[in-house]
Amino acid sequence: EAGVAQSPRYKIIEKRQSVAFWCNPISGHATLYWYQQILGQGPKLLIQFQNNGVVDDSQLPKDRFSAERLKGVDSTLKIQPAKLEDSAVYLCASSLELAGNQPQHFGDGTRLSIL
Amino acid sequence: SQQGEEDPQALSIQEGENATMNCSYKTSINNLQWYRQNSGRGLVHLILIRSNEREKHSGRLRVTLDTSKKSSSLLITASRAADTASYFCAPRGGGNKLTFGTGTQLKVEL
Repeated sequence: EAGVAQSPRYKIIEKRQSVAFWCNPISGHATLYWYQQILGQGPKLLIQFQNNGVVDDSQLPKDRFSAERLKGVDSTLKIQPAKLEDSAVYLCASSLELAGNQPQHFGDGTRLSIL
Repeated sequence: SQQGEEDPQALSIQEGENATMNCSYKTSINNLQWYRQNSGRGLVHLILIRSNEREKHSGRLRVTLDTSKKSSSLLITASRAADTASYFCAPRGGGNKLTFGTGTQLKVEL
């Protein structure tokens, strides 16, 4: 099966600019996750969708970050305006369902650098 | 959700040797998952062990779980250079939210 697709792979912007990331999960996977991974740390969950509904966005900085999954398939994550501390890798993952015995499948991420 | 803490933070071994890394957590779990992350790539699921299991094998991987000590270990036997990566444990209670620690960085040298 095709894996989780993310684009772009790399993005460089200046602070206060906006940026968007795109994710296409594995076909049939109902649950989609966005993680932020700062260098030297483990991934931190930003938002979790079940189909097109938000399950958990408790760690999403909502003043600048937004995410949507309008048709329950693809998803976009946006940052506006970007800050220096947003420099990180943004990982998208999907799983078959919300039940906890399903592994999460990760894309290779978008590496964001803020100048 | 709860975070697993991996130990050691870094491990360097020679090819062919075994590598053992440990994970501790704080509250009761339904299962515990191990993931690998190669440099510049996403995480890859390695193995899931349920709370009623004590040991699980997958190829060269052996995972143990001791719920009384709230700890797990991942053993990689006969390591290869391709095993060089960061390894994360993710203990899971309810739902499918995983919280990752900082991982163990394994380096396998030729």
